[in-house]
Amino acid sequence: NAGVTQTPKFRVLKTGQSMTLLCAQDMNHEYMYWYRQDPGMGLRLIHYSVGEGTTAKGEVPDGYNVSRLKKQNFLLGLESAAPSQTSVYFCASRSLPSEGHNEQFFGPGTRLTVL
Amino acid sequence: LAKTTQPISMDSYEGQEVNITCSHNNIATNDYITWYQQFPSQGPRFIIQGYKTKVTNEVASLFIPADRKSSTLSLPRVSLSDTAVYYCLVVLLSGSARQLTFGSGTQLTVLP
Repeated sequence: NAGVTQTPKFRVLKTGQSMTLLCAQDMNHEYMYWYRQDPGMGLRLIHYSVGEGTTAKGEVPDGYNVSRLKKQNFLLGLESAAPSQTSVYFCASRSLPSEGHNEQFFGPGTRLTVL
Repeated sequence: LAKTTQPISMDSYEGQEVNITCSHNNIATNDYITWYQQFPSQGPRFIIQGYKTKVTNEVASLFIPADRKSSTLSLPRVSLSDTAVYYCLVVLLSGSARQLTFGSGTQLTVLP
């Protein structure tokens, strides 16, 4: 199993450009998450999904959109990138809540720079 | 304001026990407390999870008092490879909203 994979690994954008980050998981997990991590800070939740076709806002959703058309994929879109969106983006997935098995599995991250 | 608090950094020597505490002042009553480890340029990796009292696995212990307003990750006999950033993850209540929240992380440096 590949676990959680993210595409691309690195990207440089100019202000105003758009892009989509792809997250894929092969563990048949219901829940998927997008976080951003900035220097000296913990991860902050952008959007999440509790199942195919559903999405919800997290702590810092402004400037981002998401879609979960297939259970294994969770896409994060930036319609008009801004320098404040320079960050490392992590995707994670998790199975349905159960006794003792509620951990999230993280991808390797995407490093995005907006000039 | 609901938030989590962790020490920014800690130093330890090889072979010592390390305890890292996370304070979470407005934690939801029905959710787990989870700790992750993160190495540079990698995603966080699960260490341990608990709901109350004490949980132990092959790498760590987690202590949670009855009021659940804090949790302590205990790493026995640390080695150089335990140098990493450690995060707590909880669900906090903000008004009627439930917010999945990571702590800001504790940089643990293990010295020889």
